[in-house]
Amino acid sequence: AQKVTQTQTSISVMEKTTVTMDCVYETQDSSYFLFWYKQTASGEIVFLIRQDSYKKENATVGHYSLNFQKPKSSIGLIITATQIEDSAVYFCAMRELTGNTGKLIFGLGTTLQVQP
Amino acid sequence: NAGVIQTPRHKVTGKGQEATLWCEPISGHSAVFWYRQTIVQGLEFLTYFRNQAPIDDSGMPKERFSAQMPNQSHSTLKIQSTQPQDSAVYLCASSLDMGGAGQNTLYFGAGTRLSVL
Repeated sequence: AQKVTQTQTSISVMEKTTVTMDCVYETQDSSYFLFWYKQTASGEIVFLIRQDSYKKENATVGHYSLNFQKPKSSIGLIITATQIEDSAVYFCAMRELTGNTGKLIFGLGTTLQVQP
Repeated sequence: NAGVIQTPRHKVTGKGQEATLWCEPISGHSAVFWYRQTIVQGLEFLTYFRNQAPIDDSGMPKERFSAQMPNQSHSTLKIQSTQPQDSAVYLCASSLDMGGAGQNTLYFGAGTRLSVL
């Protein structure tokens, strides 16, 4: 069964620094997709970045990048030059390809507080 | 593009009453998902439609929950005989046709906060 675990409940950093949020996953599939989403204080959930399991190169979008370590079943999110507005809850998620259900399984989230 | 629209934003029901939640997916998106969010359980998958057909309802509590997608522009989640433990934020999301790709991004609505008294 697929499972996504985020061990960090909350993180506090100073503005303009770099932060890494951890995520480990469990799957029996050889092909899968990993996602990071952000939930703002208003409750809005927004897609940030995706990593395809068959790609060795780490995905990068703006000031978000991923640290994909497939042997460790780990997909860390790195935010560089953090801004106050990056304060939010960050969710890691996984979708398996087998079965084609489309179901996305989420971790419990990591709350990021960016301090001025 | 208005995004995924969910109504109502807030709903308060008494124990034992029925609650119907509505979702309008993004036009052109053929995959619709329902999730439930609570502090304890986080984001729980409930059910998924593709081209209006139910594909996976493995997350749905069997007895009181049902979901339908009568046309491509809306889906409903119905909870009969609501219980206090049903209190949560119910989120609808849509995406382009999943097909065999699996990587299509989910776009979430703002959610319906259900409070069962």
